[in-house]
Amino acid sequence: SAVISQKPSRDICQRGTSLTIQCQVDSQVTMMFWYRQQPGQSLTLIATANQGSEATYESGFVIDKFPISRPNLTFSTLTVSNMSPEDSSIYLCSVVDSYEQYFGPGTRLTVT
Amino acid sequence: GENVEQHPSTLSVQEGDSAVIKCTYSDSASNYFPWYKQELGKGPQLIIDIRSNVGEKKDQRIAVTLNKTAKHFSLHITETQPEDSAVYFCAASNPGNQFYFGTGTSLTVIP
Repeated sequence: SAVISQKPSRDICQRGTSLTIQCQVDSQVTMMFWYRQQPGQSLTLIATANQGSEATYESGFVIDKFPISRPNLTFSTLTVSNMSPEDSSIYLCSVVDSYEQYFGPGTRLTVT
Repeated sequence: GENVEQHPSTLSVQEGDSAVIKCTYSDSASNYFPWYKQELGKGPQLIIDIRSNVGEKKDQRIAVTLNKTAKHFSLHITETQPEDSAVYFCAASNPGNQFYFGTGTSLTVIP
């Protein structure tokens, strides 16, 4: 199974600022995703991070707000831009290895 | 698109009892059904899964059953222990590796 690490594990940010979250996988994977999980809620897919091309965003999420980079098959970043308190959430990196999906430990973001 | 419903949203059991969580799905193309356990402050962890060509799978105290005709699948935990307390998510995936998640079940095992 793929092992995923994320940095930072948590952060407290002021509104209007941006935070970049890093995701590192211990093996090369084709499919990498970013999810948001609001307190007590299920997982909401933000986008699919495509290696070498622009990410594919789900309805309700836009590139200007959540720019994503995927420079290679083991690494991706998600930036939460111009943050507001509504962005307070857990952000999860995920990969599909064969047909199984694995998640990172998450980044707990609080926006004040 | 796929719609996954999960019940119950909360479940409390006495230690040693069994716990059952049920999910239904709508898309007959879904062919892979994983279950995740999420402990407080951690990411979801894959605990068991089942593919559509199998009706039941067991791993120690955990089992999953699938009824393709009725489009529902269930997680069974036997001899529950306090460390089983967590939020459990079901999911359904199609051949395109699109995953759809249930709304989660918060399981509390009372010592």
